[in-house]
Amino acid sequence: DAGITQSPRHKVTETGTPVTLRCHQTENHRYMYWYRQDPGHGLRLIHYSYGVKDTDKGEVSDGYSVSRSKTEDFLLTLESATSSQTSVYFCAISGGGGNTIYFGEGSWLTVV
Amino acid sequence: QQQVKQSPQSLIVQKGGISIINCAYENTAFDYFPWYQQFPGKGPALLIAIRPDVSEKKEGRFTISFNKSAKQFSLHIMDSQPGDSATYFCAASTGNQFYFGTGTSLTVIP
Repeated sequence: DAGITQSPRHKVTETGTPVTLRCHQTENHRYMYWYRQDPGHGLRLIHYSYGVKDTDKGEVSDGYSVSRSKTEDFLLTLESATSSQTSVYFCAISGGGGNTIYFGEGSWLTVV
Repeated sequence: QQQVKQSPQSLIVQKGGISIINCAYENTAFDYFPWYQQFPGKGPALLIAIRPDVSEKKEGRFTISFNKSAKQFSLHIMDSQPGDSATYFCAASTGNQFYFGTGTSLTVIP
């Protein structure tokens, strides 16, 4: 295992409420990513981080924000959850320099 | 715009048969091509990967074939087993950006 812990693993929340997903790594990797996985779309990048307090948007960033105050933690926040954000969210890490990317076990989010 | 196109969407193979999944890309800057295997309820796990300076890489029953001129690469699973039933994703990367195919659901029938 790549030393990635996601929490919570499962969450049901109501439309309009804020939600924060946490990713914690023990590998000291520089790069951290948040993806969402939906049928027919594969894995789509939401946001990524290339260092503490250094983040950038991915292809589906609308409605999401991220923060990275420590190397080991990368938070994904849905400011006001919508039903379209019902999905499986995966955190991933990479050491950079052309190295591969490793995924966490996922967080299942249902917005009702 | 899908950076990596993967086919087929689903695949059913008899036990002992060969499973073949194909991917194509356009961006010639891609320099790393991993394949991931994902079981239900789990995260994608790295299966095998190749760089464009070689045309084939084999690890056990899994082989990647890479055609740089055609900008295509494929995963071959020899002697497919029911335990190989999973979703497979191809990916391509440049720098620290990774792009994934939409996945292939493989079912191996006993």
